[in-house]
Amino acid sequence: ETGVTQTPRHLVMGMTNKKSLKCEQHLGHNAMYWYKQSAKKPLELMFVYNFKEQTENNSVPSRFSPECPNSSHLFLHLHTLQPEDSALYLCASSQDQYTGELFFGEGSRLTVL
Amino acid sequence: AQRVTQPEKLLSVFKGAPVELKCNYSYSGSPELFWYVQYSRQRLQLLLRHISRESIKGFTADLNKGETSFHLKKPFAQEEDSAMYYCALSPYNFNKFYFGSGTKLNVKP
Repeated sequence: ETGVTQTPRHLVMGMTNKKSLKCEQHLGHNAMYWYKQSAKKPLELMFVYNFKEQTENNSVPSRFSPECPNSSHLFLHLHTLQPEDSALYLCASSQDQYTGELFFGEGSRLTVL
Repeated sequence: AQRVTQPEKLLSVFKGAPVELKCNYSYSGSPELFWYVQYSRQRLQLLLRHISRESIKGFTADLNKGETSFHLKKPFAQEEDSAMYYCALSPYNFNKFYFGSGTKLNVKP
């Protein structure tokens, strides 16, 4: 499979649950990103990884914990979330942090009850 | 602080009419500007970038540094152009991207 794949596509969780979002890219890219898309708000950059190293944390609350075990995989671990965290979480990749074109996944729709 | 503003949430035009999607930005340095598009049931994808100075699917965008704008234009809209369009800004070294809130373009037959 090519491109950027995100799983699960939909997730419903309670505030006390622990879950994870997964992103995988088959493009040979070295940079990966997490974005949050809330209704009526711009895409918000959350985290950037370049060659497995985190290079950007955009003041994201600690209840979101990213993990990048290799250049092809990116996780977002979720725990004790709030209802306002309900959103579409988009993963993206680029050749490297300085290439200038993002390739997006289809997103994981998260609902926090 | 950097900011990207797309003043129109929805833009409706008839097929064959010219279309202009507005984007204004604020940034203290020299940014690179992009337009991303999301067609129905498809993922967000790059449409064009300022540094390439190319026309994609008939769309062009000119960077106006004096007005800090990067408006997207097409002389004759087609129904297949209906989509969400996002303007994005990146510092010159591309280490992060800032997106506008998007404009939904609806091209009517």
